[in-house]
Amino acid sequence: SQTIHQWPATLVQPVGSPLSLECTVEGTSNPNLYWYRQAAGRGLQLLFYSVGIGQISSEVPQNLSASRPQDRQFILSSKKLLLSDSGFYLCAWSKGVDTEAFFGQGTRLTVV
Amino acid sequence: GDSVTQMEGPVTLSEEAFLTINCTYTATGYPSLFWYVQYPGEGLQLLLKATKADDKGSNKGFEATYRKETTSFHLEKGSVQVSDSAVYFCALSDQVGTDKLIFGTGTRLQVFP
Repeated sequence: SQTIHQWPATLVQPVGSPLSLECTVEGTSNPNLYWYRQAAGRGLQLLFYSVGIGQISSEVPQNLSASRPQDRQFILSSKKLLLSDSGFYLCAWSKGVDTEAFFGQGTRLTVV
Repeated sequence: GDSVTQMEGPVTLSEEAFLTINCTYTATGYPSLFWYVQYPGEGLQLLLKATKADDKGSNKGFEATYRKETTSFHLEKGSVQVSDSAVYFCALSDQVGTDKLIFGTGTRLQVFP
C-alpha cells in the first residue's frame, strides 16, 4: 500500500535561518507531488507541484523553493526564513487528474 | 487561472439539521471536483468526488452534484452529527495539462448537540 511521510512534525526556527522540509512517498511510482501551506484563516494554498523528477512549478512568488531529486522525494526549502513563512505545510501526492490526493500529516512551522 | 470559491464559515448547526456548504469554481477545461475533510487534529482526506457534469458524489451521508451550468459543487447532508464537525475543502483537478489540485479556503463546520 502507498504511504506518505513528512517530517518534522513541528519546527521552530529563527528569522533568517534556512529551512528544509522533506516528504517521501512509498508504494507508488511517478506520483504527482504537491506542497501546500495552510495559514490561519486562509485555507489551503498551493505552493509547488511536480509531475516528474526535476520538474517543479511554482504557484506563488515567495521566499521558498522546492526540489525533487528523486521520483518519490519532494523537498521544500528556504535560504532565509521570514516571519510570514510561519504556517502549516502539507505535502501530498496523486496519480494525476481525476484521482484522489493523499496528504501527509503536515509540519507546523513557527518562525520567531 | 482556475479557482475555487467557498462560503465563509464557521457554519454552526444543531445536531440533525440540514447542511449546505456552497462551492463554485472557475476553470478553463472540464475539471474533476472534490470535497476533502479535515477532522480536528488529523490530515486531509477525500470525502467525495465527481468527474463529469451531472455526476453525484456521495459518502457518509454527504452528497454533491457537479453542475456545469452553474459551475457549482455544493456539499449537502440531510442530518448532521456532532462527529461531522470539521473543516471542509472544495477542490478541483485542473485537466488542461497540469494536474494541479486547486483548493478553496475551507469552511469550518461546528455541530452542537
